[in-house]
Amino acid sequence: NAGVTQTPKFQVLKTGQSMTLQCAQDMNHEYMSWYRQDPGMGLRLIHYSVGAGITDQGEVPNGYNVSRSTTEDFPLRLLSAAPSQTSVYFCASSRQLDGTDTQYFGPGTRLTVL
Amino acid sequence: ELKVEQNPLFLSMQEGKNYTIYCNYSTTSDRLYWYRQDPGKSLESLFVLLSNGAVKQEGRLMASLDTKARLSTLHITAAVHDLSATYFCAVALRDDKIIFGKGTRLHILP
Repeated sequence: NAGVTQTPKFQVLKTGQSMTLQCAQDMNHEYMSWYRQDPGMGLRLIHYSVGAGITDQGEVPNGYNVSRSTTEDFPLRLLSAAPSQTSVYFCASSRQLDGTDTQYFGPGTRLTVL
Repeated sequence: ELKVEQNPLFLSMQEGKNYTIYCNYSTTSDRLYWYRQDPGKSLESLFVLLSNGAVKQEGRLMASLDTKARLSTLHITAAVHDLSATYFCAVALRDDKIIFGKGTRLHILP
């Protein structure tokens, strides 16, 4: 199993550009989520999904869109990039949130917006 | 709105000493997670705590959960340099959001 994969690893955008961060998992996990990590802020939840076709907003959803058309993929779209979106983005997945299941994190995407 | 507070945020300690990291949260939850992150890396799961009084141990790390006090602790016994990392607690809400604390950066001096 590859686990949780994210592409690209690094990205530089100009203000106003759009892009999609890709996230995929091959563990048949129902729950997937996106976080951003900024220095001193911990991880903040952007969007999450409890299954294909279902998404919901997290703590900081503005400026980001998600969709979940398959169990495996959960892309994060930046509609019009802003310097405030410079961050490290982590995708995570979990079988379910009940029981002893934990979230497995991808390697991260480091995004810089100029 | 759920608040998850960790303290201390930074801890420098000597090898061989014991210490405890605290994680307080502001609303009802019955699931709490601890993660470790090394610099420049992703997060690695350490513990999942599911019920009041739960205690989990792995090596020199022991985590506990008191849901009535809304408090979890991560205790480090006889610290070694390899445990230097940032430790996060995260709390699951009933609407399936998982909210993280700001992390405790642990630096263990040889």
